Amino acid sequence: DGGITQSPKYLFRKEGQNVTLSCEQNLNHDAMYWYRQDPGQGLRLIYYSQIVNDFQKGDIAEGYSVSREKKESFPLTVTSAQKNPTAFYLCASSQDRIENIQYFGAGTRLSVL
Amino acid sequence: AQSVAQPEDQVNVAEGNPLTVKCTYSVSGNPYLFWYVQYPNRGLQFLLKYITGDNLVKGSYGFEAEFNKSQTSFHLKKPSALVSDSALYFCAVRDMNRDDKIIFGKGTRLHILP
Repeated sequence: DGGITQSPKYLFRKEGQNVTLSCEQNLNHDAMYWYRQDPGQGLRLIYYSQIVNDFQKGDIAEGYSVSREKKESFPLTVTSAQKNPTAFYLCASSQDRIENIQYFGAGTRLSVL
Repeated sequence: AQSVAQPEDQVNVAEGNPLTVKCTYSVSGNPYLFWYVQYPNRGLQFLLKYITGDNLVKGSYGFEAEFNKSQTSFHLKKPSALVSDSALYFCAVRDMNRDDKIIFGKGTRLHILP
């Protein structure tokens, strides 16, 4: 999992609650990404950031929010508007856009109580 | 839109036999193609990439992939499978029309039988 740290490893959300997933990298990469993984659906892009203080929506951004105040940090908040949040969440970073080889964290498994 | 397809949800191979995990792609322009592997409850790990050059690309853990432009395929191969190769494998393509984002296939689960 290289230099990407995701925490916590497991997270439980109550109805109507917002929860925040942490992602920290020490690879000095400019770009960072959040993916959602559901069985049989591969990885779907939630949000991405190519530079500090800037981020864009991915394919399934509704019900999620992010910030990118520091180069090494890209937290993801799962809001109460996300009605089906149970999934495995993966954070990744990449060094350049040309090849865009992605380095992944170990993931956070989110479940609803 | 750029995309990749992995036609097999699961592949079973006996240990010591050659393995192939299939991937086909649909892109405009020259494709940037990748294979990643995921072990249980872990993130994905990069295995290999094709950007340009030789059609046979070598990667980590003895894996290789063959780029075939006429068949728009990028199949992952290994001459002799190990039980430890059992994992989920993802083919991916860079989408140069959408901020160079990576588009992942749905994954193929590889079971190596002892």
